[in-house]
Amino acid sequence: SQQGEEDPQALSIQEGENATMNCSYKTSINNLQWYRQNSGRGLVHLILIRSNEREKHSGRLRVTLDTSKKSSSLLITASRAADTASYFCATASGAGSYQLTFGKGTKLSVIP
Amino acid sequence: DVKVTQSSRYLVKRTGEKVFLECVQDMDHENMFWYRQDPGLGLRLIYFSYDVKMKEKGDIPEGYSVSREKKERFSLILESASTNQTSMYLCASSPPLSGGGLGGYTFGSGTRLTVV
Repeated sequence: SQQGEEDPQALSIQEGENATMNCSYKTSINNLQWYRQNSGRGLVHLILIRSNEREKHSGRLRVTLDTSKKSSSLLITASRAADTASYFCATASGAGSYQLTFGKGTKLSVIP
Repeated sequence: DVKVTQSSRYLVKRTGEKVFLECVQDMDHENMFWYRQDPGLGLRLIYFSYDVKMKEKGDIPEGYSVSREKKERFSLILESASTNQTSMYLCASSPPLSGGGLGGYTFGSGTRLTVV
């Protein structure tokens, strides 16, 4: 079952611009995570934000979480061509939850 | 560098064959997962395991089984391969987070399986 839904489905920007991707989910969560997938490869974990956190930074990445709206956003600042990839949000729900539920992803293209 | 290794990058099998997809992790992680990824459908969980010899069904377990005899190895088995099982298969592992919820997953590079 799909919990997170990313928006937009696809995004095309110029190198140097900022990219913002959004994720909405339906049920309460323990944490929310963002992943990147380069074409035809496995996913790479980018950042995790717990349900009691509102914002987190990692390098050029900034993630926000609004549990009242059940939404999160991923901001990539000063984008590079190498950021071209699909980005997925994933939610961990329930006490002692063992699994993540992934959205369908946002396909980001950064044009040099 | 920590790793999740999937035994094959590309695989072509015939309808009706029994197919084994192997996944090995070197991080001593308790949790391991098998997903399939299809265009327009995203990642869908097939099976997961939170301990040796333990397994739990995910969202789409039909036509699949799993084996976890050792902590580092989690195998996905297609009992009788069918063309609708043509897909990208992704294995992942994770440590548990204290205080509820999972840590980040580490994924393998994926196996692109084609059933003809």
